[in-house]
Amino acid sequence: NAGVTQTPKFRILKIGQSMTLQCTQDMNHNYMYWYRQDPGMGLKLIYYSVGAGITDKGEVPNGYNVSRSTTEDFPLRLELAAPSQTSVYFCASSTDNQPQHFGDGTRLSIL
Amino acid sequence: QKEVEQNSGPLSVPEGAIASLNCTYSDRGSQSFFWYRQYSGKSPELIMFIYSNGDKEDGRFTAQLNKASQYVSLLIRDSQPSDSATYLCAVKGTTDSWGKLQFGAGTQVVVTP
Repeated sequence: NAGVTQTPKFRILKIGQSMTLQCTQDMNHNYMYWYRQDPGMGLKLIYYSVGAGITDKGEVPNGYNVSRSTTEDFPLRLELAAPSQTSVYFCASSTDNQPQHFGDGTRLSIL
Repeated sequence: QKEVEQNSGPLSVPEGAIASLNCTYSDRGSQSFFWYRQYSGKSPELIMFIYSNGDKEDGRFTAQLNKASQYVSLLIRDSQPSDSATYLCAVKGTTDSWGKLQFGAGTQVVVTP
């Protein structure tokens, strides 16, 4: 089982560039989430989705956008990248009342 | 006030000893509690979950839940160097719908040979 797959694993962006972080899950989970984790810090929820076509903001959504056109895919879009968005990004999925399963993460540096 | 609090550590534990990690939460109605382990540079992986008051054991790990006191703990028996990691406590609160969890900042555990 692949579980939650994130691409790319690493990326360096210049300030002002944009990019999309990809996330795919093959567990038929309804719920999907995007987190960021800064060095030595906990996980902060950026956006989440309860199903195809339904998304909502987490605690740190500014500078990001998401879409959920299928159950499997939940891409995260960065527009006008800023140094403050340098972080490790984790995608996760779950069903209700079940643990979240995480992807391996994307390490993003913005210079 | 943080909703889920953990001592950041590092918690230094001699090899073979018991590591005791604590987590407190503010939402009295919380029902689901999870412990994740995160190795440096890796993603969180689930090691335990507990829903009812009392103890739940899985191998060398024991989760303890006390809803009246609003804390959940994790014990690691016979600690090994491979247990050196950051342990994240996660709680599903009463206002957390759709599987959302509140994560603590994590406790770093260092097992010394």
